[in-house]
Amino acid sequence: RKEVEQDPGPFNVPEGATVAFNCTYSNSASQSFFWYRQDCRKEPKLLMSVYSSGNEDGRFTAQLNRASQYISLLIRDSKLSDSATYLCVVDTNAGKSTFGDGTTLTVKP
Amino acid sequence: DVKVTQSSRYLVKRTGEKVFLECVQDMDHENMFWYRQDPGLGLRLIYFSYDVKMKEKGDIPEGYSVSREKKERFSLILESASTNQTSMYLCASSLTVGRGYTFGSGTRLTVV
Repeated sequence: RKEVEQDPGPFNVPEGATVAFNCTYSNSASQSFFWYRQDCRKEPKLLMSVYSSGNEDGRFTAQLNRASQYISLLIRDSKLSDSATYLCVVDTNAGKSTFGDGTTLTVKP
Repeated sequence: DVKVTQSSRYLVKRTGEKVFLECVQDMDHENMFWYRQDPGLGLRLIYFSYDVKMKEKGDIPEGYSVSREKKERFSLILESASTNQTSMYLCASSLTVGRGYTFGSGTRLTVV
């Protein structure tokens, strides 16, 4: 079983749709959680950190459920420019990051 | 913004060559990392460093070594390149443990 698991998708949604991605992790000692975005043939870029209280950045909302060991990313009012692969990342308290394999999103006109 | 610069965008090397991949960050970050990314396997940690002259093995260190002589520079060395080391190599840095990474733009290495 992988330490960090994501549904690979692909998710194909129309513009304006709301889409949610989930990610589960196996190490209960994990301390920090992130979502990254990776465009085709580019490097991953930090999208947002994920906090226990949940956090929002414009159309993006991230949630953490420690009891069930999953994190989620919600994208509202999807734009064409949101098309990318979204990577879930989990840090242990030793500072090592484990990346999920990513969920591919395609937003269509 | 933090900038992480990788010396080459594309490299083609021959089997058995010694290969150096250079990475420099300009924001005084303590932590630096080398990953490789392959289709279907995601990002895998090769080596990381939390301080100058310090290095730790990641999940797949075999066939690689690293050097961190200065805080801003973290080099990945392929001692004797093999075709199964053909991959995208990504360098990253972070200010401290628990902060997100900034990645370089990657080096696509092909070993023939």
